[in-house]
Amino acid sequence: ETGVTQTPRHLVMGMTNKKSLKCEQHLGHNAMYWYKQSAKKPLELMFVYNFKEQTENNSVPSRFSPECPNSSHLFLHLHTLQPEDSALYLCASSQAGTGGNEQFFGPGTRLTVL
Amino acid sequence: KQEVTQIPAALSVPEGENLVLNCSFTDSAIYNLQWFRQDPGKGLTSLLLIQSSQREQTSGRLNASLDKSSGRSTLYIAASQPGDSATYLCAVRGAGSYQLTFGKGTKLSVIP
Repeated sequence: ETGVTQTPRHLVMGMTNKKSLKCEQHLGHNAMYWYKQSAKKPLELMFVYNFKEQTENNSVPSRFSPECPNSSHLFLHLHTLQPEDSALYLCASSQAGTGGNEQFFGPGTRLTVL
Repeated sequence: KQEVTQIPAALSVPEGENLVLNCSFTDSAIYNLQWFRQDPGKGLTSLLLIQSSQREQTSGRLNASLDKSSGRSTLYIAASQPGDSATYLCAVRGAGSYQLTFGKGTKLSVIP
């Protein structure tokens, strides 16, 4: 595997389900991100982890719970979601602390909440 | 609060044309600016990153410029090809933050 991978690629869940999205980066980076992309809206940053510590949380509802067990893996735990949470969820990583901090994205998980 | 605007929202050109995509941002206190490409239903591919101290970056047929003081960036695509058809996103990183603020993108269609 190379770059940033995400699983599953597609997910359909009911409002009472609990599911998790997984992201793994193979780039040796130390910062990871979750973004949400809804139709007709710009990409929105949800969470930032730097060296496994959460550094930013953009007022995301508690039904989204991130977890970063190490600098290569990032999870997004989902529970009691709403239909408006249906979107493409993108994970990204970067090398924090260097001049560029260029972010590299995974292919995304297309989430549909029924 | 940083806001990023991309004009036009959609663009259709014949193959072989040179074209310019525009991006503007409201807060000039940025750390860098990044251009991405997104194919339908897919993730983002990083094209170019310009540091706040730089004026432009080039990669192949792509050239991105940055005028921080006026809050503008342009992405120039030379000799466009049908494979360039995608949505192009501009994103700025604010000084002192890891957050990227994105525009809504320009959807480019290159007609053979």
